[in-house]
Amino acid sequence: DIQMTQSPSSLSASVGDRVTITCRASKPISTYLNWYQQKPGEAPKPLIYSASSLQSGVPSRYSGGGSGTDFTLTISSLQPEDFATYYCQQSYSSPYTFGQGTKLEIK
Amino acid sequence: QVQLQESGPGLVKPSQTLSLTCTVSGGSISSGSYYWSWIRQPAGKGLEWLGHIFTSGSASGSTSYNPSLRSRVTISFNTSENQFSLRLSSVTAADTAIYYCARVFGSVTYRFDLWGRGTLVTVSS
Repeated sequence: DIQMTQSPSSLSASVGDRVTITCRASKPISTYLNWYQQKPGEAPKPLIYSASSLQSGVPSRYSGGGSGTDFTLTISSLQPEDFATYYCQQSYSSPYTFGQGTKLEIK
Repeated sequence: QVQLQESGPGLVKPSQTLSLTCTVSGGSISSGSYYWSWIRQPAGKGLEWLGHIFTSGSASGSTSYNPSLRSRVTISFNTSENQFSLRLSSVTAADTAIYYCARVFGSVTYRFDLWGRGTLVTVSS
């Protein structure tokens, strides 16, 4: 199985901050990497697919990058609704695995 | 728009079989080239893909499962009811989790683009 490791596990930031979350794959996965946002009591919501393509309806302050083993999710200017847990997921090969999550909290 | 809704018992006894159904509304489960998947999330933990089923074309009915569960998990579908289902046998407390059904868009991008709200299943005697 491909292991996905996110860092940091948790992050405190303020509204208006720029934040970056990192996801590392245990083997190269090209750009087969997706990102999701999950708020308490809700299902995950898709944000970015193929490492850098924005899902329809997702604000442009979200961006993704990377290829191979190292990937980033960046939020350019945090809004109150962005405080949530973020997961990466590799779509390179089955079983399709997720990172452990990064909890973004209000400072 | 297409929506997914999980249903099934919220409590299952150890060693028994967990059975859940996902009802798809607003669209046909057999149209489009989608995979239909199950994912679970233990309380306070991360997400685990359980498997998927393909429901259209010549490959209709083909499945793929997480090897960690392969011997215990079965996913099936019912076109007339527009549903797909999960069966997980010989459950233990470790199978206690929120279970989500999800639609997978793209065999290459394999992204979960539509999710149900999830249903909590507790394994306890």
